[in-house]
Amino acid sequence: GQQLNQSPQSMFIQEGEDVSMNCTSSSIFNTWLWYKQDPGEGPVLLIALYKAGELTSNGRLTAQFGITRKDSFLNISASIPSDVGIYFCAGLHNTDKLIFGTGTRLQVFP
Amino acid sequence: DTGVSQDPRHKITKRGQNVTFRCDPISEHNRLYWYRQTLGQGPEFLTYFQNEAQLEKSRLLSDRFSAERPKGSFSTLEIQRTEQGDSAMYLCASSPPGLVEQFFGPGTRLTVL
Repeated sequence: GQQLNQSPQSMFIQEGEDVSMNCTSSSIFNTWLWYKQDPGEGPVLLIALYKAGELTSNGRLTAQFGITRKDSFLNISASIPSDVGIYFCAGLHNTDKLIFGTGTRLQVFP
Repeated sequence: DTGVSQDPRHKITKRGQNVTFRCDPISEHNRLYWYRQTLGQGPEFLTYFQNEAQLEKSRLLSDRFSAERPKGSFSTLEIQRTEQGDSAMYLCASSPPGLVEQFFGPGTRLTVL
């Protein structure tokens, strides 16, 4: 099935550093969602974006809906150990089914 | 906690057996979704319900798969004659009326031996 391209595939950073990741698609989307998934658990919704150019924050997380509607970005500031996990972007177009990205695995070292 | 719940959390079965998973959505959520996630991949859409009506099915949902939501509340996903390729995490999500956000349950991990 279709999956969106996320980069980087994995990141190894030190506690306190900022993190940036992005998600790109060949198709346009009307909504972008960002999720975090811990091992053996379901994805947890972090941020939702509803229109092109929108910039939204949730605590240390900031996400942007790309102006072309084909990409989205997630930044995490001042990373902490509990930020460890896999981050997925997901897009919605004119249907209710989410198209997920390939994931960015984040590892934070103290 | 009134989040999406799934049962069982883990299921190990032998090839050829039938399995059934249950999902209880968040109360008042009218839309319910099933996704499948294999190791190292993002979740992939299988099917979804609005109330009791099944509105869309993916090509991933072969004839051996069937999903129901008989009273518009909980849903079941049955896999008949399981194959090793069915081994995956099966995720359920729900959405409230008027919103597009989908909230996921903890998943059911299926292992077919």
